[in-house]
Amino acid sequence: EVQLVESGEALEKPGGSLRLSCAASGFTFSNAWMSWVRQVPGKGLEWVGRIKSKTDGATTDYAAPVKGRFTISRDDSENTLYLQMNSLKTDDTAVYYCTTVSSTATTAWFDTWGQGTLVTVSS
Amino acid sequence: SYELTQPLSVSVALGQTASITCGGNNIGSKNVHWYQQKPGQAPVLVIYGDSNRPSGIPERFSGSNSGNTATLTISRAQVGDEADYYCQLWDTSARYVFGGGTKLTVL
Repeated sequence: EVQLVESGEALEKPGGSLRLSCAASGFTFSNAWMSWVRQVPGKGLEWVGRIKSKTDGATTDYAAPVKGRFTISRDDSENTLYLQMNSLKTDDTAVYYCTTVSSTATTAWFDTWGQGTLVTVSS
Repeated sequence: SYELTQPLSVSVALGQTASITCGGNNIGSKNVHWYQQKPGQAPVLVIYGDSNRPSGIPERFSGSNSGNTATLTISRAQVGDEADYYCQLWDTSARYVFGGGTKLTVL
């Protein structure tokens, strides 16, 4: 069974840093493209960023609101995905979901989702 | 950027057919995916590539996409189908785009 388990809830002050992790199991993590998607409580879904597999260059891509502040990385030996969040803003308060990504030549979608972890940025 | 427009809410009588739309400029030229999110839970993929169902998703869920509108159709709606539904696509410039979500109520 494919499982994604994010690290626990976190609280940080504006301007601070946090690192989220996502433990993967039930599939070949090293072959997978992975992504983070967030959701402000009571609001819609927002893509945060994506990392390709190492065989596809492990390249990353980010949404405009987090570009330059957030970094996605992966440890294939530990089957773990990370989201390093720097220069946090109150607008970053959201539930963060780790997802697998499937793609074709012309599209991509999010197959499996973790349970989500709440990040609160507040003074 | 690319925008996807969904109605805020849709209601359907128990056992009838619900249609949830997702509007976008020439969306029929792109592939649309749909997610179901029940209260307090993570989203679940219910349709990918316009009309394909992942394993485990009932045949009552179907999708179509043409012109400027993609549609998720839920036949024989059940109380358990009450949820928020989101459309999503991939765009070369905007990357991964979500619609604002539609709350489905089964009456």
